[in-house]
Amino acid sequence: AQSVTQLDSHVSVSEGTPVLLRCNYSSSYSPSLFWYVQHPNKGLQLLLKYTSAATLVKGINGFEAEFKKSETSFHLTKPSAHMSDAAEYFCVVSDGAGGGNKLTFGTGTQLKVEL
Amino acid sequence: DGGITQSPKYLFRKEGQNVTLSCEQNLNHDAMYWYRQDPGQGLRLIYYSQIVNDFQKGDIAEGYSVSREKKESFPLTVTSAQKNPTAFYLCASKRTGGLNEQFFGPGTRLTVL
Repeated sequence: AQSVTQLDSHVSVSEGTPVLLRCNYSSSYSPSLFWYVQHPNKGLQLLLKYTSAATLVKGINGFEAEFKKSETSFHLTKPSAHMSDAAEYFCVVSDGAGGGNKLTFGTGTQLKVEL
Repeated sequence: DGGITQSPKYLFRKEGQNVTLSCEQNLNHDAMYWYRQDPGQGLRLIYYSQIVNDFQKGDIAEGYSVSREKKESFPLTVTSAQKNPTAFYLCASKRTGGLNEQFFGPGTRLTVL
């Protein structure tokens, strides 16, 4: 069984300050982990993915995430927030072990960026 | 451009009616998925298909049905048996093998009146 916990349902930052969105996971297998972003009434866009290569993963729009097996975490960070980063972010784990490679989604973190 | 299209963007239905949501992809992906999104609950898997003419139930399949007659199409029917159908529905696809990355369509918002 696998699960994902996003520790904050809402995060608010000022433009130009760092962003930290926290995610913890549980998986019976070596997991693949993803962060997706969703703007209002839109589909999900992949930000970055971890698939057992480098533990520090760089994604689009200046985001990155670090896989820490000992802490079962995959937190998303960005050095400097931009107004366009305001959206909902989902941490996702994949079992990758047959069963259609099903994804398990966290409940999402709403990021607000203020001037 | 390659991608996934969903139609319509907004859909209204009266109670007791069946309704079909369209999902088409031209990415040549074998696997396709349907998710339901409700506020504060993330995405939940309804049905998925790994190959033409085959599909499996996800976590919340009751009240829904699908077909996969063509590789590029995976329509979802919301039946009158679905007790609370008002939600945002997302379709996704994935190529076999690879790194389990799913590509998402823009979604259909279904409202039951």
